[in-house]
Amino acid sequence: DADVTQTPRNRITKTGKRIMLECSQTKGHDRMYWYRQDPGLGLRLIYYSFDVKDINKGEISDGYSVSRQAQAKFSLSLESAIPNQTALYFCATSDFGQGVGTDTQYFGPGTRLTVL
Amino acid sequence: RKEVEQDPGPFNVPEGATVAFNCTYSNSASQSFFWYRQDCRKEPKLLMSVYSSGNEDGRFTAQLNRASQYISLLIRDSKLSDSATYLCVVNRPSNTGKLIFGQGTTLQVKP
Repeated sequence: DADVTQTPRNRITKTGKRIMLECSQTKGHDRMYWYRQDPGLGLRLIYYSFDVKDINKGEISDGYSVSRQAQAKFSLSLESAIPNQTALYFCATSDFGQGVGTDTQYFGPGTRLTVL
Repeated sequence: RKEVEQDPGPFNVPEGATVAFNCTYSNSASQSFFWYRQDCRKEPKLLMSVYSSGNEDGRFTAQLNRASQYISLLIRDSKLSDSATYLCVVNRPSNTGKLIFGQGTTLQVKP
């Protein structure tokens, strides 16, 4: 079974609709992240959470909100979807540590979102 | 200047070739360095962490040059299955838990 799962895997929606993307993990990591990926722009951080009570904005949080329901679950919402939010969305998790490589991030399979 | 810069390629090489990718990063205080591999429309997957002394994993060798703020990945004896995009990744200093991803270098290995 995959350690990081995302639902849905594909979604087509219309402008103005509210949509939620969900992420679950069984790795036992405290830290979780939401990214979007667009062609030519690489991965950009939307929101991140270091534990259930610690949620932070990333580089491109406008138009998005998140909820950390439990250590294992981190949801991303688009309150009113617009076409330029069409992208590939990834959830990731990481452990906490001081050593080299301990901040390795592990990604879910992604959600392909299309906003018409 | 971008925080992490890579040559986007594409690099087109024949099977069996040796290919090298380079990456530069801007923050000298970064402490963690990685190479991730991403197949088309799939999630990034960790290929290898990069250690100060350099490290090797089979056909893959990673080197770090802190003085020049430069990371490299060498792939020997390229296989068709190595075709992918390779992402250079560096941490944001001060234990922020955040990573900075390069835009990736695309490799296409041909028969």
